[in-house]
Amino acid sequence: GQQVMQIPQYQHVQEGEDFTTYCNSSTTLSNIQWYKQRPGGHPVFLIQLVKSGEVKKQKRLTFQFGEAKKNSSLHITATQTTDVGTYFCAANSSNDYKLSFGAGTTVTVRA
Amino acid sequence: KAGVTQTPRYLIKTRGQQVTLSCSPISGHRSVSWYQQTPGQGLQFLFEYFSETQRNKGNFPGRFSGRQFSNSRSEMNVSTLELGDSALYLCASSRMTDRLAGEGETQYFGPGTRLLVL
Repeated sequence: GQQVMQIPQYQHVQEGEDFTTYCNSSTTLSNIQWYKQRPGGHPVFLIQLVKSGEVKKQKRLTFQFGEAKKNSSLHITATQTTDVGTYFCAANSSNDYKLSFGAGTTVTVRA
Repeated sequence: KAGVTQTPRYLIKTRGQQVTLSCSPISGHRSVSWYQQTPGQGLQFLFEYFSETQRNKGNFPGRFSGRQFSNSRSEMNVSTLELGDSALYLCASSRMTDRLAGEGETQYFGPGTRLLVL
């Protein structure tokens, strides 16, 4: 089945700085979803992107879907301590309804 | 609307035993998926049930099985437990989406069952 690769695995960010996490696939994706898991918690759905080149924003979070629908990014501006957690991307390919999760990017914030 | 519930929340078993975990999906959600989460392997898909039928299956041995009832509640069973089965088992429910439009099914996760095998 298709796999999504997520980088970086860990991101240590100074409070107030920006960072980006990336999700890449070797196959064309039907959609991409992003989830956030706080320490000790469970994954919580953030957003879904379906269209080529789609960009969606949630406050300080900006999500992009690549033109070729093979990659996606999550950019967080002015990082806050509430952004701590692991961010997962997850995707379906066009012929596979099974959702494949990336390994996640674990974010820690230095105050 | 109540979220996904899972029972028990914590469980300690010994090698060779079996375990059954339960999941109640969000009302109206007919699809239930199970995932295993470990620090080293991340979120691994186990299987998905829809209308009491297994619709998708991950790459886990036959010791891992599941079922879904007519009310959409689901159980997963692990037989002959091994130390490596220690993990957080997450259940997620989802509602129907427009797959022809390319949409994927958003997963609503429960709090998980943390299983420790000694």
